[in-house]
Amino acid sequence: AQTVTQSQPEMSVQEAETVTLSCTYDTSESNYYLFWYKQPPSRQMILVIRQEAYKQQNATENRFSVNFQKAAKSFSLKISDSQLGDTAMYFCAFSYSGAGSYQLTFGKGTKLSVIP
Amino acid sequence: GAGVSQTPSNKVTEKGKYVELRCDPISGHTALYWYRQSLGQGPEFLIYFQGTGAADDSGLPNDRFFAVRPEGSVSTLKIQRTERGDSAVYLCASSPGQGGRETQYFGPGTRLLVL
Repeated sequence: AQTVTQSQPEMSVQEAETVTLSCTYDTSESNYYLFWYKQPPSRQMILVIRQEAYKQQNATENRFSVNFQKAAKSFSLKISDSQLGDTAMYFCAFSYSGAGSYQLTFGKGTKLSVIP
Repeated sequence: GAGVSQTPSNKVTEKGKYVELRCDPISGHTALYWYRQSLGQGPEFLIYFQGTGAADDSGLPNDRFFAVRPEGSVSTLKIQRTERGDSAVYLCASSPGQGGRETQYFGPGTRLLVL
């Protein structure tokens, strides 16, 4: 079974500063996908960034980037120039082809607060 | 274009009652997923549809839970004889097709409270 662990239940960061959210996962699969989703109080999950396991280059999306360490099974999210709108729950998630459905397996989430 | 919509936004019911939760995916999306998110947890997979058929229902917790997608668009999650432990937010997601590269787009969820 695949598992995703987020060890930081809550974090805070000053506006304009940089913060890193941690995620580790456990799998025996070799071809899989990793995601960070953001869930604001409105409840709607929004994709922040995606990484394909076969790609060695770390994904980046504007102020968001990941540090993907395949051997260590680690997938951290770095948010640069934090903005008030980044305040939300952040979920790390995993999917792979073997399940047939590419269902997402989520961690428990990290609550991020951006302080003015 | 419109995103994934779910109705109702909130549902309060009594233990033992039957409930239906509706999901309208993004037009043209063939893949549809249901997840359940309990308080303080990440979403957990329930069921996956590719077109009209339930291709993977391995996440349904028991036979009180059932979902349909008769015309390959709208889906309904049905819960019989509700229990207090069914209280959660039920999320629906759709994607253009099957595959890890496909982004799953989520709806705002239905918050179910069983009294």
